[in-house]
Amino acid sequence: AQSVTQLGSHVSVSEGALVLLRCNYSSSVPPYLFWYVQYPNQGLQLLLKYTSAATLVKGINGFEAEFKKSETSFHLTKPSAHMSDAAEYFCAVSGAWVGNEKLTFGTGTRLTIIP
Amino acid sequence: DADVTQTPRNRITKTGKRIMLECSQTKGHDRMYWYRQDPGLGLRLIYYSFDVKDINKGEISDGYSVSRQAQAKFSLSLESAIPNQTALYFCATGDGPYGYTFGSGTRLTVV
Repeated sequence: AQSVTQLGSHVSVSEGALVLLRCNYSSSVPPYLFWYVQYPNQGLQLLLKYTSAATLVKGINGFEAEFKKSETSFHLTKPSAHMSDAAEYFCAVSGAWVGNEKLTFGTGTRLTIIP
Repeated sequence: DADVTQTPRNRITKTGKRIMLECSQTKGHDRMYWYRQDPGLGLRLIYYSFDVKDINKGEISDGYSVSRQAQAKFSLSLESAIPNQTALYFCATGDGPYGYTFGSGTRLTVV
């Protein structure tokens, strides 16, 4: 079984400050990990994914995440927050092989940017 | 056109009514999924299908059924809608363990 835990249902940062959204995973098999973003009244958009290549993954809009097996973490960061980053962010995990790719989502973190 | 199209976008229905949510995709993928999103709970898997002849229950399938009419079409039905099925429903498609493409969602309200 696989699961993810997102620490902090709401995070507020000032414009220009570091964004850090936390995600810890639990998996009995090698995981693939994902971050999705949901803007108001929209569907989910893939930000980035870890699929067992490089542990530091770069995504769209300046976001990146680092897979740390020893800490079972996959935290999302962005060096400088922009007003347009305000959205809800979801971490998700799947198995790393065909047939075990159902995504299991965390409960989400709503990011607010303070002007 | 969107890669994954969901209809309707919004729907209000009465308790006890049968309702169908439709999803079609142009990605050519075999895998299709239905999730529901509730505030504070994230997205939870209702049903998934790995090909036209394969249908599987997810973690919250009670009260729902699905039909895979073709590779590109996957419908979700609520046989007798109840108020706690009020939620945002998402359809998604994928070609393996590399992430999904989601539709824009259907906001369903059961009164």
